[in-house]
Amino acid sequence: ILNVEQSPQSLHVQEGDSTNFTCSFPSSNFYALHWYRWETAKSPEALFVMTLNGDEKKKGRISATLNTKEGYSYLYIKGSQPEDSATYLCAFNTGTASKLTFGTGTRLQVTL
Amino acid sequence: DTAVSQTPKYLVTQMGNDKSIKCEQNLGHDTMYWYKQDSKKFLKIMFSYNNKELIINETVPNRFSPKSPDKAHLNLHINSLELGDSAVYFCASSQLDIGPGGYTFGSGTRLTVV
Repeated sequence: ILNVEQSPQSLHVQEGDSTNFTCSFPSSNFYALHWYRWETAKSPEALFVMTLNGDEKKKGRISATLNTKEGYSYLYIKGSQPEDSATYLCAFNTGTASKLTFGTGTRLQVTL
Repeated sequence: DTAVSQTPKYLVTQMGNDKSIKCEQNLGHDTMYWYKQDSKKFLKIMFSYNNKELIINETVPNRFSPKSPDKAHLNLHINSLELGDSAVYFCASSQLDIGPGGYTFGSGTRLTVV
């Protein structure tokens, strides 16, 4: 059984705060780690797909790092804005044709 | 132009009925998926098809039968609906070797069995 765990489960920050979340996954048979952003009443949207140990990806104020040896990834949001409010999902797979196993997500709420 | 479109968006039906959910993608992807979002908001894989061939079949009751007439379509048929089938079902697509774009998801179908 592949378990993907995310923490914290939810997070409430003020506008302008920087924040980060953790995703932990099995370090054996690693192939790729995904981050998705899921706004209420919409569908998940891919943020990053990372495959190499030490990978760092950035998109605007959002960045992610990957450590495949110890089985974790961090997602960082710099200067949070209300429009960043969403659930952030990470997902992991073990090969080209294997399923993505999702974590339960970190729900972020950014208030003014 | 919607990349992955699912119909219907909402489906309310009685126990025991048979219903279908349709999914189409216009991204040229070769692999499509059905995920179920359970009551705890958890996304769980049900099926995956690559070029019309079933490649992932999780432990799902055989009342659920996917059908892929071509690589751009993956439909989900559910027989003898039960109360526990109520959930949001998401279709997604990607290339088999998932690239930097990850999965592209449809907007979901909220199924309510009464």
